[in-house]
Amino acid sequence: ETGVTQTPRHLVMGMTNKKSLKCEQHLGHNAMYWYKQSAKKPLELMFVYSLEERVENNSVPSRFSPECPNSSHLFLHLHTLQPEDSALYLCASSQVRDWDYNEQFFGPGTRLTVL
Amino acid sequence: GQNIDQPTEMTATEGAIVQINCTYQTSGFNGLFWYQQHAGEAPTFLSYNVLDGLEEKGRFSSFLSRSKGYSYLLLKELQMKDSASYLCAALDSNYQLIWGAGTKLIIKP
Repeated sequence: ETGVTQTPRHLVMGMTNKKSLKCEQHLGHNAMYWYKQSAKKPLELMFVYSLEERVENNSVPSRFSPECPNSSHLFLHLHTLQPEDSALYLCASSQVRDWDYNEQFFGPGTRLTVL
Repeated sequence: GQNIDQPTEMTATEGAIVQINCTYQTSGFNGLFWYQQHAGEAPTFLSYNVLDGLEEKGRFSSFLSRSKGYSYLLLKELQMKDSASYLCAALDSNYQLIWGAGTKLIIKP
């Protein structure tokens, strides 16, 4: 595998289900991100992990719970979601250095539908 | 507040040139990114500008004017495969990316 991979690619869940999204990066990066992408809206940054510590939360509802067990893996745990949470969830990674910034590399996303 | 503006949709003809504009208002500025996103696929990096001027990369060029808070992406010799959404994102003083909603580019034969 190369780059950033995400599983599953598609997910349909009921409002009472619990599911998890998985992201893995094979680039040796030290930061990982979860984004929500809704039609015709800007990408919404949900969570950032740098060196495996969460550095950004952006007031995301508690029904979304991230987990970063190591620098290569990132999870997004979902429970009691709402229909408005239906969107494309993108994972990204980058190499972050002090006073410098490199481009983010994105995974293909998980298309989530909440019924 | 922080904001990125870019057109929602543009249409161009195969073989032609198209310019996609982006204006930004951010708290501080540390550069501007352009990404390409084909339908159902991941965004992929196209360019990064932090200094004023034009950067050329093959058929694609990106321009930045920091004093005007303005950037554009120029696509030459358009091909059908260039049909995609083009995302503009500015890096603010905290090195956080502020994203635009994207411009959907439709290429017609």
